[in-house]
Amino acid sequence: ETGVTQTPRHLVMGMTNKKSLKCEQHLGHNAMYWYKQSAKKPLELMFVYSLEERVENNSVPSRFSPECPNSSHLFLHLHTLQPEDSALYLCASSVAGRGTDTQYFGPGTRLTVL
Amino acid sequence: QKEVEQDPGPLSVPEGAIVSLNCTYSNSAFQYFMWYRQYSRKGPELLMYTYSSGNKEDGRFTAQVDKSSKYISLFIRDSQPSDSATYLCAMSLLGGYNKLIFGAGTRLAVHP
Repeated sequence: ETGVTQTPRHLVMGMTNKKSLKCEQHLGHNAMYWYKQSAKKPLELMFVYSLEERVENNSVPSRFSPECPNSSHLFLHLHTLQPEDSALYLCASSVAGRGTDTQYFGPGTRLTVL
Repeated sequence: QKEVEQDPGPLSVPEGAIVSLNCTYSNSAFQYFMWYRQYSRKGPELLMYTYSSGNKEDGRFTAQVDKSSKYISLFIRDSQPSDSATYLCAMSLLGGYNKLIFGAGTRLAVHP
C-alpha cells in the first residue's frame, strides 16, 4: 500500500448507529487531518493531529470523535449522526511543523446517514 | 467575506482550449498557494505549489500568483478530456502545522 488509504470507501448508517472511519498513511508523515467535503462547499477542516497531539478542533460536534494512536493511523468515531452529516470525509497527512509542506489526501469515505 | 473565493462553475470547454481558473483571497498573510485536482470519487491530488508572486510552469499547467491583488490563477494549455475534474485552490500561512484554506472548487469539463 502506498500513500494515504481510507476504509471503508462507502458507509451507510442510521442515526443511532456507531461506526468508525480509518485512515492510514505510508508516507512517513507525522501530521494527520480530517476534512469534511459537502457538495458545492469548501473543504472543512475538522481535526488536526501533529506529532500525535490534537492541535485543532474546529468546533466540530461531539458526535464526531477523533483518535490518533500513532503517527500512521487516524480514526474518526461516529455516533448518533444527523442526515446533514452525509458527506465525503477525507483524511490527509503532511510533515508537521513545516508550513511549506503540502498535504496528501486519501480517496475519502462517502458517508450517508439515513 | 469568505477567506478564499472561487467560482464553482461548471466550466465547459472544447478539447485544445486554454483554460483559466481563478481564486481571490482576503488574508494578505497567506504565503503558500496550491492547486489540487479532484476527480470524481477520488481525493484531491496536488497539481501545483508556489510561494512567490509570478508564474510557475509545469508541462501544460501554469500557476500564477499576484500577491498585490490577492489573486491566483491556474492556466491549462491544450486542454484534454482527461483534465475534466474539479480544481481546488488552497493557501496557507507561513509556519505552523500547515493549515490549508480551500476554495469551493471549480468543476471543469473538457469535451472532445
